[in-house]
Formats: sequence, structure tokens, C-alpha cells
Amino acid sequence: SQQGEEDPQALSIQEGENATMNCSYKTSINNLQWYRQNSGRGLVHLILIRSNEREKHSGRLRVTLDTSKKSSSLLITASRAADTASYFCATAWMDSSYKLIFGSGTRLLVRP
Amino acid sequence: DAGITQSPRHKVTETGTPVTLRCHQTENHRYMYWYRQDPGHGLRLIHYSYGVKDTDKGEVSDGYSVSRSKTEDFLLTLESATSSQTSVYFCAISESGRSTDTQYFGPGTRLTVL
Repeated sequence: SQQGEEDPQALSIQEGENATMNCSYKTSINNLQWYRQNSGRGLVHLILIRSNEREKHSGRLRVTLDTSKKSSSLLITASRAADTASYFCATAWMDSSYKLIFGSGTRLLVRP
Repeated sequence: DAGITQSPRHKVTETGTPVTLRCHQTENHRYMYWYRQDPGHGLRLIHYSYGVKDTDKGEVSDGYSVSRSKTEDFLLTLESATSSQTSVYFCAISESGRSTDTQYFGPGTRLTVL
């Protein structure tokens, strides 16, 4: 069974708006990572948040982690057409340090 | 992109034929992974390697085998391809296998089994 589940499955916004994607997971984690996948390409690492962190920023990205609710959110501010991609959360379990479990992803469309 | 190549990039084959996909890295990273990506399932780990000749199963390993005879190459073999193995296959690498490592992905191989 998958560890991470993203919500929504698809999101369409206007350029300049903010995009929020959520990820829920089931078991204790060491860290949670977000990846982006452009159409027809491999995944690219965006940001990692450790289990003892609550919020992290990287450029226009803001990630939050709530371990009590077993959930994370990725916020992309001031979106651009180039942000159009699929976004995946991946969890690193506490008892399996080298494996990442990926969710099914959120497809983001940013309309010009 | 990290120095990861996959070959072939596209392949169409028939049910029952053997298929081998190759992943090649130039980063000298210790860990290598094979994933498959299917609609609605995200990425699922097939097999991974933590060193030359050291491999282990992931969550969807049935019907697949792997080999790693050199640090830079990780092969995925479908001994007898089935239609359920039609998918996009991604290779990934990470430096040391720590949970905080970034995984770097190759461009993928689209496999169609008729």
C-alpha cells in the first residue's frame, strides 16, 4: 500500500496565483520530500523537510509538515506557466532509511 | 540533469519475450534504484542496489530481476514480459542511501508489451 497520497489529483490555476498541494501518509517517517516531474521527464528533487521540522522555504516554495496529522503541504507562490508539472511527495520511513515511498502525485496546470 | 542515462528510451515487445533495460551513471553513487510509474500509482520501487553485486527487492519485484556488475551500470530484466509490465521505468541514484539523500532520476524508458 502506498505511504503518501496527494490531494488534489489535479489542479488548474491562473498564472500569478498560489498553488497548494497536500500529502498524507500513514506511518512514522524520518523525512518527507517533494519532487517535480515535467511531462515526459524524470523526477527532480525540490525540497526535503525532516520529521522535527514544521516549515521550510526554498524560493517560491513553502513546505509544511504536521506529524500529528501525518500530513504535509507544498505551496507554490506566484505561479508561472513553467510550474506546470506533476508534483509528488515521497516519504522516508523510520525503519527503512534508503527507500522512498512515492505518492500518486498532483498534476498542476498553470494557465498563462 | 545528473549523469544518468537509460537505454533504450522506448521499446515495444511481445508477450513472453525477455527484455533488459539499462541504467548508466557517471556520478559514482553507491545506491541505484529501478521504479515503475503507472497512472494512479505514482512510482513504485522494483529493485534497488547498494553496491556492486548487492541488490534487494522493492515492493513490486515479481517478474523482474536485476544485476549490477559495475558501479555505473544497473540492469533490469523482464525474463518473460507480460502486458501488465507495460509501464514507464525510471532509474534513480543516490549517493549513500541515507534517508536524507536526494534521489536523482534518469529520463525514463517507455516499455510497451503487446
